[in-house]
Amino acid sequence: KAGVTQTPRYLIKTRGQQVTLSCSPISGHRSVSWYQQTPGQGLQFLFEYFSETQRNKGNFPGRFSGRQFSNSRSEMNVSTLELGDSALYLCASSLALGFEQYFGPGTRLTVT
Amino acid sequence: EDQVTQSPEALRLQEGESSSLNCSYTVSGLRGLFWYRQDPGKGPEFLFTLYSAGEEKEKERLKATLTKKESFLHITAPKPEDSATYLCAVPQKDYKLSFGAGTTVTVRA
Repeated sequence: KAGVTQTPRYLIKTRGQQVTLSCSPISGHRSVSWYQQTPGQGLQFLFEYFSETQRNKGNFPGRFSGRQFSNSRSEMNVSTLELGDSALYLCASSLALGFEQYFGPGTRLTVT
Repeated sequence: EDQVTQSPEALRLQEGESSSLNCSYTVSGLRGLFWYRQDPGKGPEFLFTLYSAGEEKEKERLKATLTKKESFLHITAPKPEDSATYLCAVPQKDYKLSFGAGTTVTVRA
């Protein structure tokens, strides 16, 4: 069974731009979560989707948004990028809420 | 909010020197505890799920155990390739996973 895939794997953007990251979950998984990870920081929870509905949201500004499609694929968007948004963005999928999550390889975002 | 605390923060081992990592949690009605391994710059890799006190899971040189308030990840006769950050996580009441900060293990040859 194919794992979680994320695209793109690497991205370089300029301050003020916006970016969209994509995540394809494991087949049959209906829950997708997004995390931000910076050097020295743990996994910071962004949001979680299940059946196209946002079920949980972390403490991030409104510039961070996401959505889930009917095929469970998910996207997250960051508008008006700031230097501090440079991070590894991780997507994880699970069968349902509260189950073990399987992570993708991440998207490395660099904001200059 | 439920808390997950991992100790130690870092562990340096000689190849073959067995040791244990700790994950303590405060959550009522545990719905599972998950262990992950993360290599630098990569996504965490799922290792184990434990559901009830007394349960044990093994994979190669790793063995995870669970009590009512904590879990241990035992590394037996580690090799340099076991060097990684090990994370544990538990679902909160709203099903969101709470992750510990991790234990970074370095195994020297």
